[in-house]
Amino acid sequence: DTAVSQTPKYLVTQMGNDKSIKCEQNLGHDTMYWYKQDSKKFLKIMFSYNNKELIINETVPNRFSPKSPDKAHLNLHINSLELGDSAVYFCASSQTGAGYGYTFGSGTRLTVV
Amino acid sequence: DQQVKQNSPSLSVQEGRISILNCDYTNSMFDYFLWYKKYPAEGPTFLISISSIKDKNEDGRFTVFLNKSAKHLSLHIVPSQPGDSAVYFCAASVSSSNTGKLIFGQGTTLQVKP
Repeated sequence: DTAVSQTPKYLVTQMGNDKSIKCEQNLGHDTMYWYKQDSKKFLKIMFSYNNKELIINETVPNRFSPKSPDKAHLNLHINSLELGDSAVYFCASSQTGAGYGYTFGSGTRLTVV
Repeated sequence: DQQVKQNSPSLSVQEGRISILNCDYTNSMFDYFLWYKKYPAEGPTFLISISSIKDKNEDGRFTVFLNKSAKHLSLHIVPSQPGDSAVYFCAASVSSSNTGKLIFGQGTTLQVKP
């Protein structure tokens, strides 16, 4: 009974393709996040949604578009994939306010060839 | 501009000894700090946290120390066990921002040898 589940776990695709990563949480949290772990291993925030409202939008190319149909789901769509998009993408959820630890999904390893 | 830094990419200790993982930050607005543990092919899991009103928080074998004047925190694991071998991330937040945004360091890989 996974708390935060991401699909797919692995994604290999060619440059120029469009792909989506899905995330669902069953913890009743009201905030969801997308983080990117790059080749230097830093976990960097990309987006955050609170009750379907976008509250954090870091400097991310507009080829990346998050979508939150409800507070339990936050999907990430990436257009025109580039080699530099290769990374591990983590979804996470938390209850409102800093100080509450995130619950992370297991990550999606995206490889663009 | 990396606001949270873990300058040691790796650490190796003997089972039963103390592991000390360090983290430095630059933003004086940070007032809540967390440590996460990550095994390969899994997401990070929350380990322990500390508010800036404290200088120490303990949970079993894990203790986090905060030195605000030095903008430094450390995680002590005593005694270390082989199952503690993982990547440890420190993270920081500004609680008044109310966004829940965490800034992570780049992680330290801990290896505990039997």
